[in-house]
Amino acid sequence: AQSVTQLDSHVSVSEGTPVLLRCNYSSSYSPSLFWYVQHPNKGLQLLLKYTSAATLVKGINGFEAEFKKSETSFHLTKPSAHMSDAAEYFCVVSGDTNAGKSTFGDGTTLTVKP
Amino acid sequence: NAGVTQTPKFRVLKTGQSMTLLCAQDMNHEYMYWYRQDPGMGLRLIHYSVGEGTTAKGEVPDGYNVSRLKKQNFLLGLESAAPSQTSVYFCASTSPVRTSGYNEQFFGPGTRLTVL
Repeated sequence: AQSVTQLDSHVSVSEGTPVLLRCNYSSSYSPSLFWYVQHPNKGLQLLLKYTSAATLVKGINGFEAEFKKSETSFHLTKPSAHMSDAAEYFCVVSGDTNAGKSTFGDGTTLTVKP
Repeated sequence: NAGVTQTPKFRVLKTGQSMTLLCAQDMNHEYMYWYRQDPGMGLRLIHYSVGEGTTAKGEVPDGYNVSRLKKQNFLLGLESAAPSQTSVYFCASTSPVRTSGYNEQFFGPGTRLTVL
């Protein structure tokens, strides 16, 4: 079984300040972990993925995430928020032994204030 | 490559009507999925398929049927639509870990369905 908990439903930051979106996961297997972003009325775009290579993963638009097995966490960070980062962010866990099915967190809404 | 496409993009139904949503992918992916997204929630899996001619139930299958007659297409059917099925529907596809190394799913743009 696998599950994902996004610890904050809403995060608000000022433009130019750091972003931290928190995600904890549970998996019976060696998981693949992903962060997706969804802008209003749009589809899902992959930000970054962890696939058991490097534990610090760099993604698009300056985002990165660190896989910490001991803490079962995969938090998403960005050093400096931009107005265009305002969106919904989803943490996702997936494993091949369950037909590649992915389990989504409930999402974190990121607001960026000018 | 078009990636994953969905038809239609928008639809309004009356209670009791039926419809079919079409998902097509041109990446030769073996696995395909249908999700629904409701406000304030992540995506929930409706049905999925691990290959042509095979389907299985996901987390919220009631009221939906699916078919995968061709590898590149995955159809989602609503036989008798209900207002509770008002949602945004996303299709996704991926390859098994043995071929691609991970289960990154590629998503279509979504279908916004309203049932009155």
